[in-house]
Amino acid sequence: AQKVTQAQTEISVVEKEDVTLDCVYETRDTTYYLFWYKQPPSGELVFLIRRNSFDEQNEISGRYSWNFQKSTSSFNFTITASQVVDSAVYFCALSETATSGTYKYIFGTGTRLKVLA
Amino acid sequence: KAGVTQTPRYLIKTRGQQVTLSCSPISGHRSVSWYQQTPGQGLQFLFEYFSETQRNKGNFPGRFSGRQFSNSRSEMNVSTLELGDSALYLCASSYQAGAGTREQYFGPGTRLTVT
Repeated sequence: AQKVTQAQTEISVVEKEDVTLDCVYETRDTTYYLFWYKQPPSGELVFLIRRNSFDEQNEISGRYSWNFQKSTSSFNFTITASQVVDSAVYFCALSETATSGTYKYIFGTGTRLKVLA
Repeated sequence: KAGVTQTPRYLIKTRGQQVTLSCSPISGHRSVSWYQQTPGQGLQFLFEYFSETQRNKGNFPGRFSGRQFSNSRSEMNVSTLELGDSALYLCASSYQAGAGTREQYFGPGTRLTVT
C-alpha cells in the first residue's frame, strides 16, 4: 500500500536559517503524483507544489525549493532564509490509485515548523 | 476569485445527533473532495464528487455521506454522531475530476465537536 512518511514531527529554527523538511514515500505505481501543502494556524491547506513521477527536475520558487529523488523515494522541501510567516504545519501527499482506477491523496503526518524571531 | 467557503465554521453536537456541513467550491471548479483531520489519524480522505457523482470514497463507515448539487456546491452528512467524529472537516475543490492527481484548493474547515 502507498505510504508517506514525514519523520520530523516538529522543527524549530531561528529566523533566516535554512530548513529542510523530509518526505519519504512508498508506492507500487509507475505513474504517481507528489504534493506539498502548508497549513497555517487559520486551518486551510495551501497548495505549494505538484510533481509527477516522470519529472525529476528540482524546482525553485523564491525561497522554496524541492528535491525529488526517485532513487531514494524522497521529495524534500527546503525553505531558505526562513521567516516567522513560514511557521505552519507542512504536509507531503502522494496520489494513491484506488481499485476503481481513481486517485486520492495519501497525506503524511505533517511537520510542524516553528520559526523564531 | 473567491476561495472555497465552508459553513458553519464551528459546530457542537451531542452523541447520536446528525450534522450537515456545507461547502461552496471556487467558481468554475466542479470537483469537491472532503477530508477529516484529527490529531490521532491525521488527514484522511472521505470522498470526492464531480458533476454530482461520487467518484471516489475513503474508508469511512456508511454514517458518512455526501452529495453534490448542480451548482457544484457540496454537503457532507454524518449521522448518529460518535465522540470520535470530533474533527476538523476540510473541503477542497479542483477544476477537473481526479482530485488525487491535481492541486486542490482548501476551505478553512468546519470544526465539529461531539459531546
